[in-house]
Amino acid sequence: EPEVTQTPSHQVTQMGQEVILRCVPISNHLYFYWYRQILGQKVEFLVSFYNNEISEKSEIFDDQFSVERPDGSNFTLKIRSTKLEDSAMYFCASSGWDGTEAFFGQGTRLTVV
Amino acid sequence: GQQLNQSPQSMFIQEGEDVSMNCTSSSIFNTWLWYKQDPGEGPVLLIALYKAGELTSNGRLTAQFGITRKDSFLNISASIPSDVGIYFCAGPPEGAQKLVFGQGTRLTINP
Repeated sequence: EPEVTQTPSHQVTQMGQEVILRCVPISNHLYFYWYRQILGQKVEFLVSFYNNEISEKSEIFDDQFSVERPDGSNFTLKIRSTKLEDSAMYFCASSGWDGTEAFFGQGTRLTVV
Repeated sequence: GQQLNQSPQSMFIQEGEDVSMNCTSSSIFNTWLWYKQDPGEGPVLLIALYKAGELTSNGRLTAQFGITRKDSFLNISASIPSDVGIYFCAGPPEGAQKLVFGQGTRLTINP
């Protein structure tokens, strides 16, 4: 069964460093998303991406964040200068033609120290 | 912004019992989704609902899209140990390209 895959599963980084989280969405999906979940809390929307551009972003997704689809299969989230409060699980998701049912990856646990 | 409120926040039940949880919103949703999350994993889609009044089953799980389009419930019949986890409702606000999630219902099963 097709699935969303994310790498790495766990990333530890120094405050102020740049990190890139990688995702391979389901191959025939058109909509791509990043969400995050701080430990013990609910899943929060960061950004959606469609037709090679950002279609919507949340207040959390400030200038420190960027997304890219560098080729036909990968979808990346870059955090330019990490802060302690960026520590969370980051989930990539994708959905098909109607953009409603989102399928999530296993997540990348980001720890900023 | 639009918020989804889930209740109860947590449930402690005996194996074999039926479970019911619900999700409400102050505004209308045209789609309701129910996800389950195991510790350290991503949310897994269980059921999608698209029409008011719709009742959909997936094995022992049954979910309904409320008539007012402001609520949904999820039932699990004859619970088993692997049902343990956090259940989230979610939906896309009208015109938005994102999902809003509830705060989750944590299900714990005593053997």
